[in-house]
Amino acid sequence: DGGITQSPKYLFRKEGQNVTLSCEQNLNHDAMYWYRQDPGQGLRLIYYSQIVNDFQKGDIAEGYSVSREKKESFPLTVTSAQKNPTAFYLCASSMRGAYNEQFFGPGTRLTVL
Amino acid sequence: AQSVTQLGSHVSVSEGALVLLRCNYSSSVPPYLFWYVQYPNQGLQLLLKYTSAATLVKGINGFEAEFKKSETSFHLTKPSAHMSDAAEYFCAVSEGGSNYKLTFGKGTLLTVNP
Repeated sequence: DGGITQSPKYLFRKEGQNVTLSCEQNLNHDAMYWYRQDPGQGLRLIYYSQIVNDFQKGDIAEGYSVSREKKESFPLTVTSAQKNPTAFYLCASSMRGAYNEQFFGPGTRLTVL
Repeated sequence: AQSVTQLGSHVSVSEGALVLLRCNYSSSVPPYLFWYVQYPNQGLQLLLKYTSAATLVKGINGFEAEFKKSETSFHLTKPSAHMSDAAEYFCAVSEGGSNYKLTFGKGTLLTVNP
């Protein structure tokens, strides 16, 4: 089945530790995205990539980093510089063209203790 | 810059009643518009999209939405609510061009009462 996988589903980390969230897609999509979701806030864009080896900051990139070395993979690192990292993180992908919908993974819930 | 406003963070209806979820957008160019649904602790699933073809768009699960340029609106409706429709709904806009970014509204939580 084609789709987007995110792992793990739940992740717990101690304050001050960096943590990397995985996102893999087998839809052959060029573009990939990371969103953060907090209650009542909707989805906020962290980073996006429209092609391999290139990515752009979204609206709330501070304290996060990404890489796009392969078309299928777009991992997100939550660094210790992110002041409030506890949230639900969603990865998405799409074909080229703004009229194309984004397909979403199941999400990773990160809790920083 | 584009933006989306969803009126009503929480809408409650009875089973069998009309569902109406409101979305207004702001865009400097003709937009592409999307409605997504999210069940608890899951990702988002596309319900329908408007891409400048027909102004009345039909989606999955009996939902539809009408693009009204004069009102800058894209409200989501369903004639008869089912218990399974209880979820959070998000409206999103894209301004197109070489930028594929979506801007999402803050969501509307739909509760369906038996």
